[in-house]
Amino acid sequence: GEDVEQSLFLSVREGDSSVINCTYTDSSSTYLYWYKQEPGAGLQLLTYIFSNMDMKQDQRLTVLLNKKDKHLSLRIADTQTGDSAIYFCAESPTGSARQLTFGSGTQLTVLP
Amino acid sequence: GAGVSQSPSNKVTEKGKDVELRCDPISGHTALYWYRQSLGQGLEFLIYFQGNSAPDKSGLPSDRFSAERTGGSVSTLTIQRTQQEDSAVYLCASSFPGGRYGYTFGSGTRLTVV
Repeated sequence: GEDVEQSLFLSVREGDSSVINCTYTDSSSTYLYWYKQEPGAGLQLLTYIFSNMDMKQDQRLTVLLNKKDKHLSLRIADTQTGDSAIYFCAESPTGSARQLTFGSGTQLTVLP
Repeated sequence: GAGVSQSPSNKVTEKGKDVELRCDPISGHTALYWYRQSLGQGLEFLIYFQGNSAPDKSGLPSDRFSAERTGGSVSTLTIQRTQQEDSAVYLCASSFPGGRYGYTFGSGTRLTVV
């Protein structure tokens, strides 16, 4: 079955790098996503990666995908207080692009 | 519109009452999804609409929940005889077919059943 797991909390100092990790179970996943949710808001798509890629970089964000271990990570460089939010990992299995399966989210707290 | 619009943003209702939640997707997005987010939980899939196809209702938790999408655009999620466990944030999202490039979410409706 499909299952996406994330650690619940992460705290970092402003200016440090943050690494948020995610594991998934469905090896047929074609697309993997990172979403950000700020308080009282919906989810905002940050980035996504195709399963045939190992890495994707977009400004301060770096996504790493290890298909063998079914492990996805999001690195935020030079973390700022505005990065404090909940980050959700999601997968879209092949043949089931109808819906995404989300992890429970990681609460990132950036300390001054 | 520029984004996915949901209304109301907050709804407090008495146990046993019916509620209707509305979602107005991005123009041109043929796929529409409803998710539920309970406190401290991830997102729970409820229902998915794609064009004129029959909706995927596999995530609806009980027969008190129903949804429709009129004219391939606006969707309404209806919860009948609300229970306290229905209290959650109900999120709507829309996307191009298949959702491959990610969904665009609305800000959600926070439902509180008292």
